[in-house]
Amino acid sequence: GENVEQHPSTLSVQEGDSAVIKCTYSDSASNYFPWYKQELGKGPQLIIDIRSNVGEKKDQRIAVTLNKTAKHFSLHITETQPEDSAVYFCAAKSGGSYIPTFGRGTSLIVHP
Amino acid sequence: DTGVSQNPRHKITKRGQNVTFRCDPISEHNRLYWYRQTLGQGPEFLTYFQNEAQLEKSRLLSDRFSAERPKGSFSTLEIQRTEQGDSAMYLCASSLGLADTQYFGPGTRLTVL
Repeated sequence: GENVEQHPSTLSVQEGDSAVIKCTYSDSASNYFPWYKQELGKGPQLIIDIRSNVGEKKDQRIAVTLNKTAKHFSLHITETQPEDSAVYFCAAKSGGSYIPTFGRGTSLIVHP
Repeated sequence: DTGVSQNPRHKITKRGQNVTFRCDPISEHNRLYWYRQTLGQGPEFLTYFQNEAQLEKSRLLSDRFSAERPKGSFSTLEIQRTEQGDSAMYLCASSLGLADTQYFGPGTRLTVL
C-alpha cells in the first residue's frame, strides 16, 4: 500500500518568514495530493490540493509543488502569521481508491 | 452551519462499556468515511460508505467495531467492550460523487479509563 513520509515533525518560524513542509510517497499510481490544517480540538480542514497532471498550484500565501519523478510534494507558506500555527498533514491517494494515506503531521509554530 | 457534524464531541467511558458515535455528513454527500487519529499521527482509515453500502473496511476495524449508514444519510460507529487502546479521536468525513476532496467533521474524542 501507499506510504507517506512527512518532514519535519516540528517547524518553528518567526512571523513573516516562509515555512516549507515536505512529503514523499511510495505509490507511483498516486494522483491526488491534499494538504490539511488541523487546529487544536478541531478536525482537519483542507487548505489546498494538487493533482498529478499539475506541477504547482498557488492560493494567496500558500503554494504546493509536486515532483512526480522523485515522488515528493511540498507545501510552502509565505509571510507566515501567528494564526498559521497548527498541525499540517499531507496525504496521497491512488487513482484506484477513494482513501488517502496521511503523513504523520508537522506542527508549525509561528512566533509573533 | 452546513459542514460535517459529529456527536458527541467528547466521550469518557470505562473499559468494557459500549459506545456509539454519530456523524451527519454534508447534505447530498454520498460518500462517508470514518478515521481514527491518535496523538502525533495522521488520520488512519477505518471504513467508508457509498450511500448505505459499506464498501471498504480497514484491518484496524476489529470485530468489536461496527458502522452503519442505514438510510444513506447519517452514520453511526459503535465500539463494543471498549479497551484503553481505543482511546483516540474518531473523525468522520464526507465527499460528493466521484470527487476526491473529503471534508472532515470536528471529531469525537474518546477516552477509555
